[in-house]
Amino acid sequence: GENVEQHPSTLSVQEGDSAVIKCTYSDSASNYFPWYKQELGKRPQLIIDIRSNVGEKKDQRIAVTLNKTAKHFSLHITETQPEDSAVYFCAAVGFQKLVFGTGTRLLVSP
Amino acid sequence: DGGITQSPKYLFRKEGQNVTLSCEQNLNHDAMYWYRQDPGQGLRLIYYSQIVNDFQKGDIAEGYSVSREKKESFPLTVTSAQKNPTAFYLCASAKEAKQPQHFGDGTRLSIL
Repeated sequence: GENVEQHPSTLSVQEGDSAVIKCTYSDSASNYFPWYKQELGKRPQLIIDIRSNVGEKKDQRIAVTLNKTAKHFSLHITETQPEDSAVYFCAAVGFQKLVFGTGTRLLVSP
Repeated sequence: DGGITQSPKYLFRKEGQNVTLSCEQNLNHDAMYWYRQDPGQGLRLIYYSQIVNDFQKGDIAEGYSVSREKKESFPLTVTSAQKNPTAFYLCASAKEAKQPQHFGDGTRLSIL
């Protein structure tokens, strides 16, 4: 089945810096890759997703890149703000279900 | 306003007791999912259902049971066989497997 690895587990940046979170997946048949943001005690919320027919997608300060050959995808956050502090999860669709990475705790210091 | 409703928000279980967590959605989604999240951990799949009257075990199904008698509802029962039930339980739904999942606000279960 699908296996998703996510790095780093924690990431500390200064406000205004960029943050990059990386994930790798194992199933070459996977073709849908969402990213979720979860604030403490709250529900995960979808922030961006990408399908395997594109290599990059942007939404304001957030972008996701996908390298199908290497089976890895990354989340890029530019001009980070304190409200970006949260846990971020990547995921990949295996057979009938999403498989989540273990999460990255992002801390943005003012 | 469409969405997913989980209840209760907090639940306490006594020794040897079964408890049921409710999950209802009005998004007309076919697929529904139950996840368990332990402190500082990721989401682990308990059970999922792609269609009414059908469901599949996830990665950690032991000690749990589900039903899917209606499209809108996917209740999770935590049985007495689950020896370590304390966790945050999240329900999600999606139009189908390769579509975005929408999550409920979760139920926090503790042992008395």
